[in-house]
Amino acid sequence: QVQLQESGPGLVKPSETLSLTCTVSSASISSHYWSWIRQSPGKGLEWIGYVHSSEGTNYNPSLKSRVTMSVDTSKNQFSLKLTSVTAADTAVYYCARSLYSLVMDVWGRGTTVTVSS
Amino acid sequence: DIVLTQSPDSLAVSLGERATINCKSSQSVLYSSNNKNYLAWYQQKPRQPPKLLIYWASTRQSGVPDRFSGSGSGTDFTLTISSLQAEDVAVYYCQQYYTAPRTFGQGTRVEIK
Repeated sequence: QVQLQESGPGLVKPSETLSLTCTVSSASISSHYWSWIRQSPGKGLEWIGYVHSSEGTNYNPSLKSRVTMSVDTSKNQFSLKLTSVTAADTAVYYCARSLYSLVMDVWGRGTTVTVSS
Repeated sequence: DIVLTQSPDSLAVSLGERATINCKSSQSVLYSSNNKNYLAWYQQKPRQPPKLLIYWASTRQSGVPDRFSGSGSGTDFTLTISSLQAEDVAVYYCQQYYTAPRTFGQGTRVEIK
């Protein structure tokens, strides 16, 4: 079955860039939309945005100025970059498949990112 | 942004009894051209990612037990667990996909009484 696995640093310093990668197994990354969602105690579940290899991206306006998502079809991976992070960006970050860019039907296990000096 | 407000924030239900969770949207998520409600429900157990239970407000995802059902239209929706099982202890979220940004409700915690 389709599996997703997040990877990346668990600790990022304030003002630096958070970079995460999601590796997709048993599905073609070119065939679907792929999302990033984060979860923090203070804000619950927050949709960051989605990316498609040919349809482009759609970002949450609240984060749009700091977010970049991309797809690497050769590695069957997609990635998230969030610049100028602060403590408010501390959260569990999930990657997920978005069916037709709508609902998230397959999720990774999540990775905890802490922003601290 | 569309704001989803769930009620209650938490509830305790006896095993085998019915659990009902409500989700109210700040605007309609019913798309008139196809008569579909762009609303989903997720279940999140401790230390796990959310799991898609229901989409189009009432369509169960493959493999989801039929004790879970969704109903409602427009701005008011309900998730019902007809006979609560121990494995249903979790936090439940509604999510709208009518427009971007996708948004979630604040969650409802379901526990055993």
